[in-house]
Amino acid sequence: DARVTQTPRHKVTEMGQEVTMRCQPILGHNTVFWYRQTMMQGLELLAYFRNRAPLDDSGMPKDRFSAEMPDATLATLKIQPSEPRDSAVYFCASGSDRGNQPQHFGDGTRLSIL
Amino acid sequence: GDSVTQMEGPVTLSEEAFLTINCTYTATGYPSLFWYVQYPGEGLQLLLKATKADDKGSNKGFEATYRKETTSFHLEKGSVQVSDSAVYFCALSARSTGTASKLTFGTGTRLQVTL
Repeated sequence: DARVTQTPRHKVTEMGQEVTMRCQPILGHNTVFWYRQTMMQGLELLAYFRNRAPLDDSGMPKDRFSAEMPDATLATLKIQPSEPRDSAVYFCASGSDRGNQPQHFGDGTRLSIL
Repeated sequence: GDSVTQMEGPVTLSEEAFLTINCTYTATGYPSLFWYVQYPGEGLQLLLKATKADDKGSNKGFEATYRKETTSFHLEKGSVQVSDSAVYFCALSARSTGTASKLTFGTGTRLQVTL
């Protein structure tokens, strides 16, 4: 089965450090989504792309977060500088806007900022 | 805007009990509706979907029927197993946005099944 691949699965770092999370969407999917999941806030949409173009990043703190798609096989989410409140699980999902297709999720990056 | 409301959890059931997790939605147009399941340490997986009124989605013994008149998509299973313990998310995709795969999620309902 095709899968969304996220790396790293786990990341522990000190506050102030740059964090980069990567996502390989399913081949042929033209939409990519970044979510953050915490106990307090639940699942939050941070940003999403269609055909590699950013469509909505209103859920993302712009001063420290950035999301890009350098090519169709790679999406990145960066935090610089990181803060303890950024500790969460970050999920990438990909989908297709052709027909009623569901999103497919990766297994997430569990991020801990000390 | 679009929204999804799920029943509060956690829901605790004994094995072989009947399960219902309520989900209602607010959306313009005719959304597609989904249930996702998240097992511990994993991402969300699609459980079932329905794309138009009166459709019934089903998978692994779970069912949900798209009820336009009550704007609901309740998840049911006749006999739960311990392995069904997970968090269940109801979601909708509003076609009117022009980006069919963008989803609006409910807050999730944790199900715990005991022996």
